[in-house]
Amino acid sequence: RKEVEQDPGPFNVPEGATVAFNCTYSNSASQSFFWYRQDCRKEPKLLMSVYSSGNEDGRFTAQLNRASQYISLLIRDSKLSDSATYLCGQAGNMLTFGGGTRLMVKP
Amino acid sequence: NAGVTQTPKFRVLKTGQSMTLLCAQDMNHEYMYWYRQDPGMGLRLIHYSVGEGTTAKGEVPDGYNVSRLKKQNFLLGLESAAPSQTSVYFCASSSTGLTQPQHFGDGTRLSIL
Repeated sequence: RKEVEQDPGPFNVPEGATVAFNCTYSNSASQSFFWYRQDCRKEPKLLMSVYSSGNEDGRFTAQLNRASQYISLLIRDSKLSDSATYLCGQAGNMLTFGGGTRLMVKP
Repeated sequence: NAGVTQTPKFRVLKTGQSMTLLCAQDMNHEYMYWYRQDPGMGLRLIHYSVGEGTTAKGEVPDGYNVSRLKKQNFLLGLESAAPSQTSVYFCASSSTGLTQPQHFGDGTRLSIL
């Protein structure tokens, strides 16, 4: 079993929709979690860090559920420019990533 | 404002050839990392370094060697390239420990025939 698992998608949503992704992790000792955004053939870029129960930045909200060992990313009012792959990472002994969830926002 | 710079951007090798990928960061970060990214596999850590002169194995170290002779540079070597090493390689750095967010270079696309 992979340490970090994500639904690969794609999630196809209309512009303006709210969409949520989950990411499950197996290392209960992990202290920090991250969401990265990766555009096609580009490098991952940090979207949000999660150190406690959650974090919010504009239209993006990340929540951590330690009991169930998952973190979620909620995107409100989706924009065409949100189309990308979203990578979840957990930092335990080292930073490990899920395979990513692909989001496609349609007009 | 360079951040993390990787060279080369693209390379095609024949099986058995050797090469070195260079990563340079100008943020004075202590930690540096090399990842490979394959379709459906996500990012997998090859080797990392917690400071100048130190290196450690990650999740998939076999077939690769690294060196960190200077704080700003982290080199990834393939001694005898194999087709299974065809991948996109990303270098990253972070200011302190593994719990800090990492900044990535824009990748090296490596094909081994």
